[in-house]
Parts: sequence; structure tokens; C-alpha cells
Amino acid sequence: GAGVSQSPSNKVTEKGKDVELRCDPISGHTALYWYRQSLGQGLEFLIYFQGNSAPDKSGLPSDRFSAERTGGSVSTLTIQRTQQEDSAVYLCASSLRGTGGYTFGSGTRLTVV
Amino acid sequence: QKEVEQDPGPLSVPEGAIVSLNCTYSNSAFQYFMWYRQYSRKGPELLMYTYSSGNKEDGRFTAQVDKSSKYISLFIRDSQPSDSATYLCAAENSGGYQKVTFGTGTKLQVIP
Repeated sequence: GAGVSQSPSNKVTEKGKDVELRCDPISGHTALYWYRQSLGQGLEFLIYFQGNSAPDKSGLPSDRFSAERTGGSVSTLTIQRTQQEDSAVYLCASSLRGTGGYTFGSGTRLTVV
Repeated sequence: QKEVEQDPGPLSVPEGAIVSLNCTYSNSAFQYFMWYRQYSRKGPELLMYTYSSGNKEDGRFTAQVDKSSKYISLFIRDSQPSDSATYLCAAENSGGYQKVTFGTGTKLQVIP
């Protein structure tokens, strides 16, 4: 597609439930990133995928968070046993060569009640 | 201390004003600097991408980097109401893939 596509755009879930967030990057972009944006906190790096290399998971806040990227394209971020502090906008970005010239999606706004 | 610091604002200016947005950073290894614009309920959009010190101009926007003082600026000339958004500065190390570190963003409002 023309841009980075994320779904769902909004998700309300009950505390303790699992959620899956999807990202479809720009075709041909080898690098894919997940960030989390909370009010007043800026963008927090979560995980990075580059081609067939092992992902950089250093930003994942706990073992409840995991992500995969299938076939070098679509990525899914999974949050297990959601907590209220997980409420945020989850942003996916892709880039051609892993530099900072990212293209972001519009994000998934997650609310845990 | 965050590696990239940015005044959250909000900053309110009249239409046509020159806007100056600023960031400071602490990591001397940062070599690439970016400005992103983010409208409400949208993802950030890359505005400017610069390497090392100096100025880069693109239309009404000028990005300036002073590595000696670890200071990053974005100037917007002839500001328009459509420039009302949150502006995020960002920086990364050199040498291929590195995580980009973002500031918290400055909210700008241009009043008609």
C-alpha cells in the first residue's frame, strides 16, 4: 500500500485480556518498528525488525509484550494480560534502510478498562 | 535526564509569525537529527532529516543543528493555521541502524 497501515485504529479491552495489534508496512521497507506513545511521555521504543536479523526487543517493557513479523512484511504486537498502564497509542513505523526517516502509521489507541 | 529534551509548550503564535522550536540533547554520539510533525490522532510525519551540524531549508521550514552546544532548532516562516500540530525532534547515532530517540514534542497553535 501507499502508507503504513495499522489495525484496529481503536481498541477497548478489559484488564487481564490479551490483545493483538497489526501493522502492515510499506512494501519493500525492510525495517519495521513499534513505538508506544503515552500522554506527556513522548515516543517509547518497543521493538525493531530488520530483514531476517534477530529483532531488537530491548524496549519491550515486560514479558507480557511480544511481537512477530511474518515473511518480512506484516507484524503483530501482542500484549497478554493487559493492565491499565498499557493504555497508550501504539505506533508502527517502517523505513527503507533502518535509518530515522521513518514512515509512521496512524496508530492503535488502546484503552484498558 | 532524557537524552533528547524538548519544551512541551503549548506555544501559541499569530498567523504569519516566525516560529522557533528547540531541543537539546545529551548524547554526543548522535549524528542524524530529525523533526516530525504530528497532527491530532495521526502518526508522526517526517519533516526534516539532517546530518551533523548546519542548516537545511525546505520551503518555509529550516532545520538547524549546532553540535557544539547540542542544540537542535526548527524555524517555520510565515506560519499558517495548518501548521498547528505537535512537533517532535529526534536523533540517532551514525552507522546504519540505531534506535531513534524522540523528544516529548512541542504543541504549536497558530491563531488566524
